[in-house]
Amino acid sequence: GAVVSQHPSWVICKSGTSVKIECRSLDFQATTMFWYRQFPKQSLMLMATSNEGSKATYEQGVEKDKFLINHASLTLSTLTVTSAHPEDSSFYICSGQEGINQPQHFGDGTRLSIL
Amino acid sequence: AQSVAQPEDQVNVAEGNPLTVKCTYSVSGNPYLFWYVQYPNRGLQFLLKYITGDNLVKGSYGFEAEFNKSQTSFHLKKPSALVSDSALYFCAVRDSGGYNKLIFGAGTRLAVHP
Repeated sequence: GAVVSQHPSWVICKSGTSVKIECRSLDFQATTMFWYRQFPKQSLMLMATSNEGSKATYEQGVEKDKFLINHASLTLSTLTVTSAHPEDSSFYICSGQEGINQPQHFGDGTRLSIL
Repeated sequence: AQSVAQPEDQVNVAEGNPLTVKCTYSVSGNPYLFWYVQYPNRGLQFLLKYITGDNLVKGSYGFEAEFNKSQTSFHLKKPSALVSDSALYFCAVRDSGGYNKLIFGAGTRLAVHP
């Protein structure tokens, strides 16, 4: 149980392109979803937290106009990297949480490479 | 401020030997603690959590962790390591500031040698 599906797993695109990443909870309702960024050999950096039907809460230093997050249902959240540039290349991971004090369940991540 | 420390970048263990991956924490209030494992190019997999109750928590794949309040530690253990346990392990504590955010440690790479 508690499966989170994240697509696509790998994206390569040109600079200036917008890229959308989907995160779906397959067998539970994710009241809260989280988006992380992970640099090579480093820990996860939380980008934003989103609750279903509400605007996302972004961490300090994360540009909300560049990283658009939508959490329209209890099973789907999307992250759109707008006008992506090479410095946005990274490993992006989402997670879903069913309720307070429940563990977060993670997707398998999306490796984004901007040329 | 809440924080999690994983003092070892890497732990090397021979297959069949017991393993310990260390974690210490600093929180205000009661700690909610988690262990996750990450395999290459994958997301994180939940191993176990401590909220309240017994100090020894049993989790997935034969792992367990011991909560020690006086030492503010939550070390991950396994009695007999497998080569397939080789991965990156993260300790995390829930941020009491709200939104159920997790604060992750830097991660410890576990290498189990045949």
